This record gives sequence, C-alpha cells and structure tokens, in this order.
Amino acid sequence: GAGVSQSPRYKVAKRGQDVALRCDPISGHVSLFWYQQALGQGPEFLTYFQNEAQLDKSGLPSDRFFAERPEGSVSTLKIQRTQQEDSAVYLCASRPRRGSYEQYFGPGTRLTVT
Amino acid sequence: AQSVTQLDSQVPVFEEAPVELRCNYSSSVSVYLFWYVQYPNQGLQLLLKYLSGSTLVKGINGFEAEFNKSQTSFHLRKPSVHISDTAEYFCAVMTTDSWGKFQFGAGTQVVVTP
Repeated sequence: GAGVSQSPRYKVAKRGQDVALRCDPISGHVSLFWYQQALGQGPEFLTYFQNEAQLDKSGLPSDRFFAERPEGSVSTLKIQRTQQEDSAVYLCASRPRRGSYEQYFGPGTRLTVT
Repeated sequence: AQSVTQLDSQVPVFEEAPVELRCNYSSSVSVYLFWYVQYPNQGLQLLLKYLSGSTLVKGINGFEAEFNKSQTSFHLRKPSVHISDTAEYFCAVMTTDSWGKFQFGAGTQVVVTP
C-alpha cells in the first residue's frame, strides 16, 4: 500500500519568503507528527496532531511556524518569512492510532533558504 | 526530560564483519526504545523496537538490540554486515507519558567497505 508522501521533495526559498510543505499520511492513520532534521543531526519533534486536533506544538521553534490538518488527513507545515536557520529536512510521520507505537515516516522535504 | 546519546558519530566497518552501535538514554519515566535506519534521500525505516518483555529484540535485516535497564542502554548489533547496510542509524526514545513523540539521538553513520 501507499506510504507517507511529502511534497515538494526539494524546496529552495529566498530569505523572507513563505513556504508550505505538504504531508499525505497513510490512509486511516489517526496520528501525525512533524519533525525537523538539521544537517548531521537527528530529527527533532515539531508538532503532533490527533485527527484534526493539534495536541502538541511545543517543538515549533518560533511563531513563524504553524501547522494544520483541517480534515484529519493531509497536513501542511507553513513557515513564514523564512530564515537561513530554517534550512533542514522536514519529516512527516503517521501512526495508526494512539495505542500503537511505530511511526511511519515520509521521505521528507529538503528546504534550503538562500 | 529525557535525552538520547549515540556515542559514535561514524563507524567504519568491513563487509562481513560485526558491528555494534551504541545508544544510551536518560529519562525520569519509563520509555520505549527504537532503532531506525535512514538511507540517503529517504525517510526513516523502523529496524526494531523494545516495548516490554525479553530484553533481546530482533529486527529486520539481521539486526538485534539489547535493552539494559541498569545501564540505560539499547545497543544495536549485527553479526555480519553487507555493503547495503551503509546508512545512518538513529536511536529513539518514546516516553510512556507523552503523545508518542520520539526523541532521537544524533545518529551514527555506518560505512561498510569491501
């Protein structure tokens, strides 16, 4: 079956531009996570959705970052007024239900801010 | 708060030799432990997980890991590596009191040479 997909796979933005990154989770998966992976580092948690509810956004680095999942499936991570430090790979993961443990990761979107 | 430490940033190994990747964690609450592998330009793929029960867990591709509660470690091993095992490996911790978000180590790059 189809896994988690993300688009675009690569994005180059000029400093100050807004970007939107899309995640299509596995169909029926209740939970959705966003992570940020800087070069040479492990992924860092950004935010968590259970269905359409954003239950944890403690990892969002600034108020320029926000995420939504309005219908409980597709999610969008938006970064306003991008800065060079936002350059990273943004990973999306989904999970079938809260009682399960494994997260299924997408291939990521590599964002480069010039 | 919890932390995850992967003690080696890079591990060179010859084909058919054994490999061990070290992971230590700290947490004030119970944890679940995971190892993920990331091939270039791909998302993370689950190798194995420890939730409870036997402290020796077996995963895919011939990998296994041992949970040691007293030493707060979860080291990953493979008795004989292949060229195709060249990848980045991440240890991850999930606390039992969270939404299931992962905290990852910084990763260990395994380079297998003939």
